[in-house]
Amino acid sequence: KQEVTQIPAALSVPEGENLVLNCSFTDSAIYNLQWFRQDPGKGLTSLLLIQSSQREQTSGRLNASLDKSSGRSTLYIAASQPGDSATYLCAGGGATNKLIFGTGTLLAVQP
Amino acid sequence: DTAVSQTPKYLVTQMGNDKSIKCEQNLGHDTMYWYKQDSKKFLKIMFSYNNKELIINETVPNRFSPKSPDKAHLNLHINSLELGDSAVYFCASSRNGDRDAQYFGPGTRLTVT
Repeated sequence: KQEVTQIPAALSVPEGENLVLNCSFTDSAIYNLQWFRQDPGKGLTSLLLIQSSQREQTSGRLNASLDKSSGRSTLYIAASQPGDSATYLCAGGGATNKLIFGTGTLLAVQP
Repeated sequence: DTAVSQTPKYLVTQMGNDKSIKCEQNLGHDTMYWYKQDSKKFLKIMFSYNNKELIINETVPNRFSPKSPDKAHLNLHINSLELGDSAVYFCASSRNGDRDAQYFGPGTRLTVT
């Protein structure tokens, strides 16, 4: 049974700092790993999707990596901005045809 | 243009009532989902439909019944609402199953009093 964990649960950084969010999963038979952003009271915005055959994906200041053998994914945010403040969720897709979500990391970027 | 839309955005109702939440996607996707986000912000899948066919039915009380009239719509009907049903319900869609990125609606905040 797939379990997804995100550490830390909350993170506060000053503006301009580079940061890494971590995601761990227990079942390496993962089809893909998706990172989302959720703003308070809003839905989820898809940020990056990494297929199991890929090792990383990049979009602007965001870079996500996937290491199936260690059961880990990271989301790297470069030059953080106050507008990056949100909850970041990772989710793993597998043979059960459903996404298993982590509990999220609440990020606060201080101006 | 809203890719995945849900109505209503907020729903306040009393215990025992029956209510429906509607979802529509204009992305041309084949797969649609319903998720529940509880008070601790944990997201869990409830149902998944692929081309109007039920694919996933998690351990959800049978008071919850999804209906997909066509592949662009997936509605959620809830009978005999209970206090524990209070949550935010999200609809999502993907092109074809979980190998593709999922796109979420804005959510429906259900409060049962």
